[in-house]
Amino acid sequence: ELKVEQNPLFLSMQEGKNYTIYCNYSTTSDRLYWYRQDPGKSLESLFVLLSNGAVKQEGRLMASLDTKARLSTLHITAAVHDLSATYFCAVGRSGGGADGLTFGKGTHLIIQP
Amino acid sequence: NAGVTQTPKFQVLKTGQSMTLQCAQDMNHEYMSWYRQDPGMGLRLIHYSVGAGITDQGEVPNGYNVSRSTTEDFPLRLLSAAPSQTSVYFCASSYSGSTDTQYFGPGTRLTVL
Repeated sequence: ELKVEQNPLFLSMQEGKNYTIYCNYSTTSDRLYWYRQDPGKSLESLFVLLSNGAVKQEGRLMASLDTKARLSTLHITAAVHDLSATYFCAVGRSGGGADGLTFGKGTHLIIQP
Repeated sequence: NAGVTQTPKFQVLKTGQSMTLQCAQDMNHEYMSWYRQDPGMGLRLIHYSVGAGITDQGEVPNGYNVSRSTTEDFPLRLLSAAPSQTSVYFCASSYSGSTDTQYFGPGTRLTVL
């Protein structure tokens, strides 16, 4: 059974600081997805990582994938309040995503002034 | 494009009632799926479809039925609602399931009394 674990599950940090969210998964996969969810809203796709060593950046967020370690990271640089949200990673159930995704429980991120 | 739409936005049912949650997309996506989200949990896959006429079960399919008669629509039926089905339901679609961004609908918040 595929398991996806995120840590931390809750993170409170100050503006301007850097931090990393970790996503470990239990089976072989070369596809990993990161989503953002604001309270009461739907999920917004942030990154799709499709190969070992993939690195993608958008603004203050950078995601990477190490398929050998079964680990993805979401790094936040110089955090700002607008990045407060819940962040989910997800992995394709069969290694890809054609038969759906298994999600981590999410990291609830609060960025304080 | 309207993207992925879901109706209704909110619904209250009594135990034992049945209902259909509607999901439609206008992006000509082959792949569609249904997830439920419960507090403190990630999203869990209920059913998915890789094209019209083709559906399959996800992690938590019990108590739910789906059909896919057209590319655009993927309704989720609750056969006999139970309080354990109180949740937020999200529909998602993508051009292909494995490599593309999955687009999520706005969600349906369901309460079963």
